[in-house]
Amino acid sequence: AQSVSQHNHHVILSEAASLELGCNYSYGGTVNLFWYVQYPGQHLQLLLKYFSGDPLVKGIKGFEAEFIKSKFSFNLRKPSVQWSDTAEYFCAVTSGTGTASKLTFGTGTRLQVTL
Amino acid sequence: EAGVTQSPTHLIKTRGQQATLRCSPISGHTSVYWYQQALGLGLQFLLWYDEGEERNRGNFPPRFSGRQFPNYSSELNVNALELEDSALYLCASSPGLAGARETQYFGPGTRLLVL
Repeated sequence: AQSVSQHNHHVILSEAASLELGCNYSYGGTVNLFWYVQYPGQHLQLLLKYFSGDPLVKGIKGFEAEFIKSKFSFNLRKPSVQWSDTAEYFCAVTSGTGTASKLTFGTGTRLQVTL
Repeated sequence: EAGVTQSPTHLIKTRGQQATLRCSPISGHTSVYWYQQALGLGLQFLLWYDEGEERNRGNFPPRFSGRQFPNYSSELNVNALELEDSALYLCASSPGLAGARETQYFGPGTRLLVL
């Protein structure tokens, strides 16, 4: 069964600091990778996704993620965080290219950005 | 375009009762997914419906059930409620066209409290 690990449970950064959130998955076949964000009081929103092609994907609000197949990783990055980035971030994966399937989520990383 | 909607926003029940949660997908989407977000357990897949059929279910007991209606809206039923069923229940929808590369769009959730 596939699983997703997010090693950082709670990250506190000052505004303008750089961000990198780790995500590792365990699945040997084709994977489709997602980062979702949940701002306080709001619903889960898609930040970015990777299916194939260029392993560096860019998403909304200046976020990007890099797929490194050899490391089974899909880390999320942002060069300079803002206070408004305070939220919980979830990495998720589906497997294969055929039938639609469930998203398997990591446990999430709570990001707190201080002024 | 309206997003995924869920009702009610909050639900308070007592142990042993039944809860019914409702979800309306984005217009044009045929797949509906249910997830449970319990404190400390992250987001866990519950059920997936597509074209009125249950396609997959997660590792939950049979007292968690649901259905999808001809208009693609969905209902999640939880029978014989237990205290540990207290959680945020999220519904997501997807177009049902891209297989495992579907992007799922989430609703705001129903917060269920079991006393």
